Amino acid sequence: NAGVTQTPKFQVLKTGQSMTLQCAQDMNHNSMYWYRQDPGMGLRLIYYSASEGTTDKGEVPNGYNVSRLNKREFSLRLESAAPSQTSVYFCASSEAGVIGGYTFGSGTRLTVV
Amino acid sequence: AQTVTQSQPEMSVQEAETVTLSCTYDTSESDYYLFWYKQPPSRQMILVIRQEAYKQQNATENRFSVNFQKAAKSFSLKISDSQLGDAAMYFCAYRGFSSGSARQLTFGSGTQLTVLP
Repeated sequence: NAGVTQTPKFQVLKTGQSMTLQCAQDMNHNSMYWYRQDPGMGLRLIYYSASEGTTDKGEVPNGYNVSRLNKREFSLRLESAAPSQTSVYFCASSEAGVIGGYTFGSGTRLTVV
Repeated sequence: AQTVTQSQPEMSVQEAETVTLSCTYDTSESDYYLFWYKQPPSRQMILVIRQEAYKQQNATENRFSVNFQKAAKSFSLKISDSQLGDAAMYFCAYRGFSSGSARQLTFGSGTQLTVLP
């Protein structure tokens, strides 16, 4: 089925470890996004990529880096994980100029101990 | 910056009854889009309904409808004939035009809806 694929679905890290969350979409969308979801705070934008080759900071970028590898793939990297980064992470994509909301991945539950 | 406020962290409704979830937003834009997303325990984000700000007519999708009051910057979701499968977290979201081609969504904090049998 067409959509947004995120890996992994669950991950436990120790403080200070690094990891990369992978995201790929097969809908030929130009724009891709990374959000984090925390209880009582909704979804907050970490980074986004309006098109291949561009990335921009969102509301909560500290502690994260991103790479738009190609049009399909947009990865999120935690260089030195902290307990405050315990969250559920969502990747999403959309076609620029088409207002149809986003297509979301199924999320990654990350726990940093 | 735009903000979206959902003032009801939790709501409950009896099966087959009607419930309304509230959402207000703040923006200086005249053109924008508003959305309601549903997140069941599976964690999947599901688009329920959307409203274009330039349309005066309220959007409707089967049992789901909105009350869009542009001047008041209010966008409530009404669920009629509530079903057990409607139990989920509901997020209100805003998407404007001033954020460039990316047009990112801004979300409210969510309302957890419980449907009582």
